[in-house]
Amino acid sequence: QITLKESGPALVKPTQTLTLTCSFSGFSLTTSGVGVGWIRLPPGRPLEWLALIYWDDDKRYNPSLRSRLAIVKDTSKNEVVLTMRTMDPVDSGTYFCARLIDIVGYDSWGQGTLVTVSS
Amino acid sequence: ETILTQIPGTLSLSPGDRAALSCRASQTRSTASLAWYQHKPGQAPRLLIYGASTRATGIPDRFSGSGSGTDFTLTISRLEPEDFAVYYCQFYGSSPFGGGTKVEI
Repeated sequence: QITLKESGPALVKPTQTLTLTCSFSGFSLTTSGVGVGWIRLPPGRPLEWLALIYWDDDKRYNPSLRSRLAIVKDTSKNEVVLTMRTMDPVDSGTYFCARLIDIVGYDSWGQGTLVTVSS
Repeated sequence: ETILTQIPGTLSLSPGDRAALSCRASQTRSTASLAWYQHKPGQAPRLLIYGASTRATGIPDRFSGSGSGTDFTLTISRLEPEDFAVYYCQFYGSSPFGGGTKVEI
């Protein structure tokens, strides 16, 4: 059974750095063709793809957020960590991590974690 | 960057109706990488269709995908009450999602 779970602070202050952890089980991030991505859902807005890391450590970022994002994996812990710098209230929303299979798409998702940016 | 435009933004239908959701790409991409997702409030998004027309595991056959080039369609043949949700398309991996189509009662 494949599971993913997001964890991190529910509240961050403007200008702070957000660190989110995706803990997963049931698959390995060393398997060819597998990746883990981060996607968010701002209130009243559509899904927004943020970042993706592949089994071979190839990393991709949303061009409009690239300067603020970093994604890393720890295969020994089955974790993927996303950091987002200089948080702003418009960054509030639910943050999801999901498994990517290269020829299928994001086939398994976490339940999401709600992040509010407020002073 | 390929932009996906989903039309309409909202579809107001009744259970039993047929729904046709459009996804148009700003440039031609591989059909093999187009996916559709369903999202309900408070839940994780769910993969419905990949490769433009292949149903994901466990997806009912009332959901079908078609299209190629720049124009793709998700069709729900007969809406069930649980199908009222927001639907997104994406060229999967590292691409933006479309703006979504909300299917409401």
